[in-house]
Amino acid sequence: EADIYQTPRYLVIGTGKKITLECSQTMGHDKMYWYQQDPGMELHLIHYSYGVNSTEKGDLSSESTVSRIRTEHFPLTLESARPSHTSQYLCASSESVAYGYTFGSGTRLTVV
Amino acid sequence: KQEVTQIPAALSVPEGENLVLNCSFTDSAIYNLQWFRQDPGKGLTSLLLIQSSQREQTSGRLNASLDKSSGRSTLYIAASQPGDSATYLCAVRNSGNTPLVFGKGTRLSVIA
Repeated sequence: EADIYQTPRYLVIGTGKKITLECSQTMGHDKMYWYQQDPGMELHLIHYSYGVNSTEKGDLSSESTVSRIRTEHFPLTLESARPSHTSQYLCASSESVAYGYTFGSGTRLTVV
Repeated sequence: KQEVTQIPAALSVPEGENLVLNCSFTDSAIYNLQWFRQDPGKGLTSLLLIQSSQREQTSGRLNASLDKSSGRSTLYIAASQPGDSATYLCAVRNSGNTPLVFGKGTRLSVIA
């Protein structure tokens, strides 16, 4: 069973709302990642973190922010949701570069 | 910049057939390569992780090979079953603290 949890599983929200997608892992992994994936399309890296108080931007970071205050928690925030944000958001973690990624089940976001 | 290509984009085979999925990458200086499975609307499940020093990894009916010098990996699925129907993604990690770079995936359908 996955030890990385994403909530909510599904979210429908109106344009202009601020939303936070939650991601938590119980494995003590230092490295955590957020990806965005449209249906049937490739994954795009949004943000990543290599430890507490460390965050880096990926390819699609301009419209979202992240924080890493605790090792186990890596939330993603959209300050003002737009229909173009409608997508699936996937969180992942890894122990080190020698180990693979473990993914959460994802959050499917619809902005109306 | 690392680029990962997966061929074919889609594949349909009859149940019981052995099949090969291909993955190529442009920068051979990788640290490891990971194969994932993704069911529709779900997160990614890790199948196999190959370190750069390894030539292949096996798990059940799955065998992944790696030829780092030529920038290629293959995922071999033996005796395919309808339950194998999913999208299979290849991802590579370059040396150092770089996130995985994903291919666009191969969508596999196994027909009973």
